Amino acid sequence: GAVVSQHPSWVICKSGTSVKIECRSLDFQATTMFWYRQFPKQSLMLMATSNEGSKATYEQGVEKDKFLINHASLTLSTLTVTSAHPEDSSFYICSASPSSGAYEQYFGPGTRLTVT
Amino acid sequence: GENVEQHPSTLSVQEGDSAVIKCTYSDSASNYFPWYKQELGKGPQLIIDIRSNVGEKKDQRIAVTLNKTAKHFSLHITETQPEDSAVYFCAASNRQAGTALIFGKGTTLSVSS
Repeated sequence: GAVVSQHPSWVICKSGTSVKIECRSLDFQATTMFWYRQFPKQSLMLMATSNEGSKATYEQGVEKDKFLINHASLTLSTLTVTSAHPEDSSFYICSASPSSGAYEQYFGPGTRLTVT
Repeated sequence: GENVEQHPSTLSVQEGDSAVIKCTYSDSASNYFPWYKQELGKGPQLIIDIRSNVGEKKDQRIAVTLNKTAKHFSLHITETQPEDSAVYFCAASNRQAGTALIFGKGTTLSVSS
């Protein structure tokens, strides 16, 4: 139980294009999902908190117009990197907490984005 | 906001030895402290967690201790095995308030046989 999936697992795109990453909770409902970014040999940095049916809350320094988040259902949140640049290349990881109020936060396998 | 410090950044042990990783947090409102193991190219995997109303929790070779007064918590791995080699992250959050996990910088554990 408590499985979170991400799609795609890796993607290569050209500079200036947009990329959408999906995060799904497979066996539980998640009112809240979180998006993190991880650069090589570094820790996970919180980008934004995604709440179903409402606007995402972005961390300081994260451009909301560049990283579009949509949490359309209790099992799906999407992150769209718009007008991607090489500096956006990173490992993007989502996580979800069960709507039941459980404390645990489960992470997806991550998406490796490379912008050329 | 919450700030989590983690030490050491790297840890090398011989197979069978114990490993201890320590974290401190800044926000006294934090009430949930999980530990994650991350292997190269994969997402973090929850290995053990502890809530603020508990001082210690154990699961086979892994244990976590929490000192709320000092705002620090530790991961203890006994009888280490080569497959324990990975990056370990501690994290903290106020789960009752629904806040996200804030992570430490990670510890790279290497277990040599």
